[in-house]
Amino acid sequence: GQQVMQIPQYQHVQEGEDFTTYCNSSTTLSNIQWYKQRPGGHPVFLIQLVKSGEVKKQKRLTFQFGEAKKNSSLHITATQTTDVGTYFCAGTGNQFYFGTGTSLTVIP
Amino acid sequence: DGGITQSPKYLFRKEGQNVTLSCEQNLNHDAMYWYRQDPGQGLRLIYYSQIVNDFQKGDIAEGYSVSREKKESFPLTVTSAQKNPTAFYLCASSRTGTTYGYTFGSGTRLTVV
Repeated sequence: GQQVMQIPQYQHVQEGEDFTTYCNSSTTLSNIQWYKQRPGGHPVFLIQLVKSGEVKKQKRLTFQFGEAKKNSSLHITATQTTDVGTYFCAGTGNQFYFGTGTSLTVIP
Repeated sequence: DGGITQSPKYLFRKEGQNVTLSCEQNLNHDAMYWYRQDPGQGLRLIYYSQIVNDFQKGDIAEGYSVSREKKESFPLTVTSAQKNPTAFYLCASSRTGTTYGYTFGSGTRLTVV
């Protein structure tokens, strides 16, 4: 069945370093969404990408959808302690699936 | 302000008991969802409903039941048939279709004692 995998599962970075999480699907996706879940909180919708090769930015966050629409990435420039949390991708193939998530720890 | 409310925040259940988790939204969303979150396993879909009086099983529906009698409400019952119910349960809603982002409730943490 369709799966959406994310790597890495965990990432520790020093404050100010960059961070990237990757999302890979076994099937072509019609869209990809990204969510952030703070520790002890609930997922919050960040953005949606629908076009092949699409790139969108939100301040220090850059989201990219692959040309084949099977992968996506989220890049954070110069991490801050407020970036701490788990980042999930979610995509629509034959069904809508959430990725396994990447837990980000930022060391002050 | 529009939003989605889950209650209670924490719930303790004795083995063999059924418990019902509440989920209410005032966003006028047609679709509602229940997810289970376990450490390191992401979000797994239990049930979803795209319209009143209709709902579909997700990937891990065994041991759970739902109802959708009103657009605003989508309660989840964790039955005694669910062998490992301790988890964080998240309710979400969206406009119909997966091209819209989900709005999540703050979750219910269920513990079996």
